[in-house]
Amino acid sequence: GNSVTQMEGPVTLSEEAFLTINCTYTATGYPSLFWYVQYPGEGLQLLLKATKADDKGSNKGFEATYRKETTSFHLEKGSVQVSDSAVYFCALPTYSGAGSYQLTFGKGTKLSVIP
Amino acid sequence: GAGVSQSPSNKVTEKGKDVELRCDPISGHTALYWYRQSLGQGLEFLIYFQGNSAPDKSGLPSDRFSAERTGGSVSTLTIQRTQQEDSAVYLCASSLEVAGGGEQFFGPGTRLTVL
Repeated sequence: GNSVTQMEGPVTLSEEAFLTINCTYTATGYPSLFWYVQYPGEGLQLLLKATKADDKGSNKGFEATYRKETTSFHLEKGSVQVSDSAVYFCALPTYSGAGSYQLTFGKGTKLSVIP
Repeated sequence: GAGVSQSPSNKVTEKGKDVELRCDPISGHTALYWYRQSLGQGLEFLIYFQGNSAPDKSGLPSDRFSAERTGGSVSTLTIQRTQQEDSAVYLCASSLEVAGGGEQFFGPGTRLTVL
């Protein structure tokens, strides 16, 4: 079945540092790929997505490119801020033969940005 | 409301008691999902509803767990005879479509603590 392997944290960076969080996937076909973010005390929210190979998703200065050749969807940001401190989840949709649909998530990467 | 709401936000119960967790999806969203977030297991899919039907219940961890959805809207997740290992944050999400490119909108979650 589909699976996601995500770089585990925690990751601690100084403000304005460059961020990369690695994500690789195993999937049947070419599903959409997502990054979700969970800020402290809040629910999960979609950060960005890509729906096909070579697509680049971007939002709030974050980017991720859907790489079919390397089955990767790494999250990057050129200059992190304290407000980016959160847990980041890579995810992809998984369908079962019974007509069920779910998101399969990586284990999450906790990012802490210090001033 | 504008987003997915869940109640209660926190629930503390004694081992062996039954609990009900409620989810109000975004109006008009036909698909509804329950996930569980725990330290050891990350984000686990529990069940998915399309309208009032749940095509696949295999994600529910045991027969103590059940869920229903009425009127294509509100959903209730019931855990009978709670055990300490049921302690987790239970997340509900909804989406406008089932197709793999559709974004899932998450509620803030219910934190369940079983003593």
